[in-house]
Parts: sequence; structure tokens; C-alpha cells
Amino acid sequence: QVQLVQSGAEVKKPGSSVKVSCKASGGTFSSYAISWVRQAPGQGLEWMGGIIPIFGTANYAQKFQGRVTITTDESTSTAYMELSSLRSEDTAVYYCARGMRWLQSPDAFDIWGQGTMVTVSS
Amino acid sequence: DIQMTQSPSTLSASVGDRVTITCRASQSISSWLAWYQQKPGKAPKLLIYKASSLESGVPSRFSGSGSGTEFTLTISSLQPDDFATYYCQQYNSYSLTFGGGTKVEIK
Repeated sequence: QVQLVQSGAEVKKPGSSVKVSCKASGGTFSSYAISWVRQAPGQGLEWMGGIIPIFGTANYAQKFQGRVTITTDESTSTAYMELSSLRSEDTAVYYCARGMRWLQSPDAFDIWGQGTMVTVSS
Repeated sequence: DIQMTQSPSTLSASVGDRVTITCRASQSISSWLAWYQQKPGKAPKLLIYKASSLESGVPSRFSGSGSGTEFTLTISSLQPDDFATYYCQQYNSYSLTFGGGTKVEIK
């Protein structure tokens, strides 16, 4: 059974960067898309971008282009999301999520990480 | 980007009620639509994919229908565990987009 385990909560200053990790265990990592989805307090879900590790090229939402970088390390089955130039509006829970279908993207997400709270505050 | 509009935003219902949530896409997405359930403090859970396919382990009281631009999620008989927020998501094209959510509350 595949599980996604994310890194712990972060508190960051405005203007800084944050890097969140998402480690997969129990299944194939490289051939399924990994996306990052965030949720501001009391708000809905927002897709930030995604990648299929074996292909290595990420797609990003226009809103985050230039500020977000999604990478993977196949040797450790870990995906990373780095968000730069943080502002208070970036305070949110950040989720990684796995696409359902082998080598397909975009896709629905059948497995989610537990979420990582990122707080941006001076 | 494709806009996804859910209605209603809040729904009050009783145990045993039949509940229907609607999701409209700003352009055709064929059947590339998923539905998720989210409870407070938890990650979303996939219920339905490809508009009408039930995810493994999801109770059969959940069903999805539609294609093109109009979709519905139906709960045939609402159970206490179903009070939650529901989101639709299109995966026809980038950027992936979610509906604004429908909170199902106890009446």
C-alpha cells in the first residue's frame, strides 16, 4: 500500500523560501505523477504543479510560475516543492498527492500526504 | 484555465436524505472529473473518478454522473459519516482546477 509522508510544519519570514518533502513508501514511485495542492485556512483546494518523476519535467499553475519548483529524487522516492518569495497569503496546508494512472498526467489523485502546515509571519 | 463552479456552497440535510451536488465546467472536460470528500484537518479522499467510476472501498451510496460541462455527485442516503466538504476537480487539461467546495451540514 503506497503511502506519502510529508515533512513537518514550517514557520517562515516573508520573502524567504520553504521546501517541503513528500516521501513515498510501499510502491512504485517513478511512474506516477506527483502533484502539490495547497489549502489556505478555511479555503478550498488549489493545484500548484506536478511532475512524473521518470520524465522529470514539471508543469506549474500560471499563478505560481517563477516562484515554485517541484523536483524529485528517485533514489529516495521523495518529491519536493520549493516556494520562494513567501508572503502572508502563502500561509496554508500543503499536500502532495499521487496520480492514479501509470505514466498519465493530468490525473485524479488517489493517494494524499498528510499535509504540511506552512505559516508565513514576520 | 478551466473554471469549475460547484453548487450549492452549503447544504443542510438529515441522515437518510438523498443529496445532490452539481459541478459545472467552463468548457468541455469530457469525463475527466473527480470528486473528493474532505473532513476537517484531514487530506481529501477520492470518491469518484472519470465522472462516474467509484473508487475502491467507497460505499455504493455515492455515485457520479455527467459529461462535457455538467456533473453531479449523489449520495443516495446520507449517513452520519458523510457530513463533510466535497470538491470536484477537472483533470482534462492543465492547470488542474477544483470547484469551490460544498459543505454538507447536519440539518
